[in-house]
Amino acid sequence: AQSVTQLDSQVPVFEEAPVELRCNYSSSVSVYLFWYVQYPNQGLQLLLKYLSGSTLVKSINGFEAEFNKSQTSFHLRKPSVHISDTAEYFCAVRLTGGGNKLTFGTGTQLKVEL
Amino acid sequence: EAGVAQSPRYKIIEKRQSVAFWCNPISGHATLYWYQQILGQGPKLLIQFQNNGVVDDSQLPKDRFSAERLKGVDSTLKIQPAKLEDSAVYLCASSPAGEVGTGELFFGEGSRLTVL
Repeated sequence: AQSVTQLDSQVPVFEEAPVELRCNYSSSVSVYLFWYVQYPNQGLQLLLKYLSGSTLVKSINGFEAEFNKSQTSFHLRKPSVHISDTAEYFCAVRLTGGGNKLTFGTGTQLKVEL
Repeated sequence: EAGVAQSPRYKIIEKRQSVAFWCNPISGHATLYWYQQILGQGPKLLIQFQNNGVVDDSQLPKDRFSAERLKGVDSTLKIQPAKLEDSAVYLCASSPAGEVGTGELFFGEGSRLTVL
């Protein structure tokens, strides 16, 4: 069975500083990888995903993540964060063999401070 | 386009009581999911429907939890009797049929249950 590890439960960072949220996965077969974001009092929203092709994927609001198969990682990065990026970020994995079942990590709370 | 609707947003009950949550997915979405999110943990899939058939309910505690999607549209998740450890946010999500490869799920705002 697949699993996802997000080692950092909370990441405080100052505005305009860079940030990296770490995600590692475990699976015996190939996977698809996702980052979801949950803003306060809202539902989860897809931020970006890796299905195939280029290992570097980007979101429309400046986040990017790189799929590293050898290190089984899919870390999320942003070179300069904004106060509005404060949210909880969840990494998720799905087996490529179908079913559309997502397995989520425990989440990382990103708190951007002035 | 309307999003996934869930109700109630908040519910407080005593242990051993029953509770029901309702979900209306995005129009046309064939697949519906119920996730349980306990504080400090990631969402855990309870049950997945494809139209009105169950695809995966392997992590649903069937002695107390039940779910149905009778007409392939909206769905109800019931807990009876509730235990203290059922305190969580219950998330409903939907996805279109045929979008298996994209993996994008559309989530509602969730129903927060507190069991006293």
